[in-house]
Amino acid sequence: DAGITQSPRYKITETGRQVTLMCHQTWSHSYMFWYRQDLGHGLRLIYYSAAADITDKGEVPDGYVVSRSKTENFPLTLESATRSQTSVYFCASRRLAPEGGTDTQYFGPGTRLTVL
Amino acid sequence: AQTVTQSQPEMSVQEAETVTLSCTYDTSESDYYLFWYKQPPSRQMILVIRQEAYKQQNATENRFSVNFQKAAKSFSLKISDSQLGDAAMYFCAYRGRSGANSKLTFGKGITLSVRP
Repeated sequence: DAGITQSPRYKITETGRQVTLMCHQTWSHSYMFWYRQDLGHGLRLIYYSAAADITDKGEVPDGYVVSRSKTENFPLTLESATRSQTSVYFCASRRLAPEGGTDTQYFGPGTRLTVL
Repeated sequence: AQTVTQSQPEMSVQEAETVTLSCTYDTSESDYYLFWYKQPPSRQMILVIRQEAYKQQNATENRFSVNFQKAAKSFSLKISDSQLGDAAMYFCAYRGRSGANSKLTFGKGITLSVRP
């Protein structure tokens, strides 16, 4: 089925370990995003990508690394996980709208990450 | 930088009644988009309604409508004939039209409960 998927859906890891969260979309959308959701903060943008091989920092990028070698995939890596990175992570995608238009941003189901 | 403020952390409404969720934003842009997203307990982010800033007419989607006051930078969501399934967290979001501003900025969200 077409859509946007995230894996794993749940992950428990330990402080200092490297963790990679996967995101895959089947629409060939140009834009992809990573957000984290924490109580009292809403959704905050970590990184985003306007196209393959083009990425940029969002509001809270420290401690995270992204790559986008293929249009459909946008993995998020925590190089050395910390307890403060315990959160729910959402991936999202959106196509490049035609001039004067706009498009809906679609979200994945989220990954709940716990860092012990 | 754009900011989105949802000052009410929680609200409650009686089933079949009407409730209004408030949102204000700050921007120096003249053209932009505003959104309301719903997040039920499943965590899935669902687009409820969107408004283009250049349109004076308030957007409506079935029981959901907005009151968009551009000069006041206010964007409230009205839910009519509230149903038990409307119970969720609701996020207001802003997106600029293009370039570096073409990413969603979210408010902190409001938890809506519906009393039977």
